[in-house]
Amino acid sequence: QVQLKESGPGLVQPSQTLSLTCTVSGFSLTSYNVHWVRQPPGKGLEWMGRMRYNGDTSYNSALKSRLSISRDTSKNQVFLKMNSLQTDDTGTYYCTRDRNYGSYGTFAYWGQGTLVTVSS
Amino acid sequence: DIQMTQSPSFLSASVGDRVTINCKASQNINRYLNWYQQKLGEAPKLLIYNANSLQTGIPSRFSGSGSGTDFTLSINRVESEDFSVYYCQQSYSLPYTFGAGTKLELK
Repeated sequence: QVQLKESGPGLVQPSQTLSLTCTVSGFSLTSYNVHWVRQPPGKGLEWMGRMRYNGDTSYNSALKSRLSISRDTSKNQVFLKMNSLQTDDTGTYYCTRDRNYGSYGTFAYWGQGTLVTVSS
Repeated sequence: DIQMTQSPSFLSASVGDRVTINCKASQNINRYLNWYQQKLGEAPKLLIYNANSLQTGIPSRFSGSGSGTDFTLSINRVESEDFSVYYCQQSYSLPYTFGAGTKLELK
C-alpha cells in the first residue's frame, strides 16, 4: 500500500538549514507527484512545493528563495532543504502524494508528519 | 495567489445534526476544490475532491457542492468521530492554497 514517512531533526537552530527526507513505498516517484506541506502549531496548512513525477520542481513563491526540493528515485526518497530558518518556521512538516496521475494538487496520501522546532 | 476564505471558523453542533461549512475562492477555480478533515495530532485526510467527489472509504454522510468561487461541505447526521477541523483547498493553480479551517465542536 501507499506509504510516506518523513524524517529529520526535531530541533534546528535559528539561521540554520533544515533537511528533511520523505521515504515512500507502494508507488514510484517517476509516476506520481510528491508535495511538502507544513503547519505551524495550532494554525493552518501551507503548501511549500512539489517534486513532479518527471523531476521538475515548483515552489511557493513565499519560500522560493530559501527552499529546495530534490529526490533520489533509487532510494524512493524526496528531500526538502530550507535555509535561514526562523522561529516562525516551527511546525509539523508533511509530505503528501497526489490522489492519482492527473489529479494534481489533490492530496490523498500523507505521511505522519515530523515536528520541527526552531530554537536556540 | 488564490485566497480561500472559510466560514464559519467555529461551528457547534450536536450528534445527529446536519452541518454545512462554506468556502469561497478569490477567483474562479471551476471545480478544483478539495475538502480535508484533520483530527488532533494527525495528518489531514482527504474527504471530497473536485468539489463533489467522495474519496474512497469516506462515509456517504459527507458531501460537497459548488463551482466557480463558492463551495460547501455538508455533513448529514453528524457522528461523534466527526468533531475535528475541516479545511478547503484549491487545486486549480499554483501555489495550492488552503482555507484557514473550520473547527466543528460538540455543543
